Amino acid sequence: SQKIEQNSEALNIQEGKTATLTCNYTNYSPAYLQWYRQDPGRGPVFLLLIRENEKEKRKERLKVTFDTTLKQSLFHITASQPADSATYLCALDFTGGGNKLTFGTGTQLKVEL
Amino acid sequence: GAGVSQSPSNKVTEKGKDVELRCDPISGHTALYWYRQSLGQGLEFLIYFQGNSAPDKSGLPSDRFSAERTGGSVSTLTIQRTQQEDSAVYLCASIKGDRANSPLHFGNGTRLTVT
Repeated sequence: SQKIEQNSEALNIQEGKTATLTCNYTNYSPAYLQWYRQDPGRGPVFLLLIRENEKEKRKERLKVTFDTTLKQSLFHITASQPADSATYLCALDFTGGGNKLTFGTGTQLKVEL
Repeated sequence: GAGVSQSPSNKVTEKGKDVELRCDPISGHTALYWYRQSLGQGLEFLIYFQGNSAPDKSGLPSDRFSAERTGGSVSTLTIQRTQQEDSAVYLCASIKGDRANSPLHFGNGTRLTVT
């Protein structure tokens, strides 16, 4: 069956370091992949979209890579700040998947002073 | 500008009662989604509306769940004869174009607790 896997364990890093979050998927042929941020008690907020023919995309301190051979996306936050602490969700829309955007369970990031 | 608005933000109901959850999407957004998020779980797709097309109801977990979208704008998700397993955060999202080029804009959800 098709599955998206994100590390369920929280990622704790020190302020100023680079945080790297992983999104793995199986049996998908995604046309693109999206990353969202979710704070407690709030809905997810869109961060970045990367298409299958793109290897990397950047936005300010954020960088996303997309390796369709490894079936993996990496999400990097450079010079991390405590305000970056949140849960980060990846989402896939795959060819033949119908109308839904399928989300991973998310990885909680904690940036400590 | 105004984002997606959901009401109520919290709802506590007794098992067996019916509940209605409301979503006001961003003006001009043609498509609308309902998702459900249980504690520690990912977002579970429920239903999708696009313009005047028939909704995609493939994610509704049982026939106790229904949704409608009136006038291509406001949507209501109704859960009949609520059960404790229905307790979750119900999220609504709207989108302006297609998912390949546009992100989903989420509301802050309705936290439903069935006692």
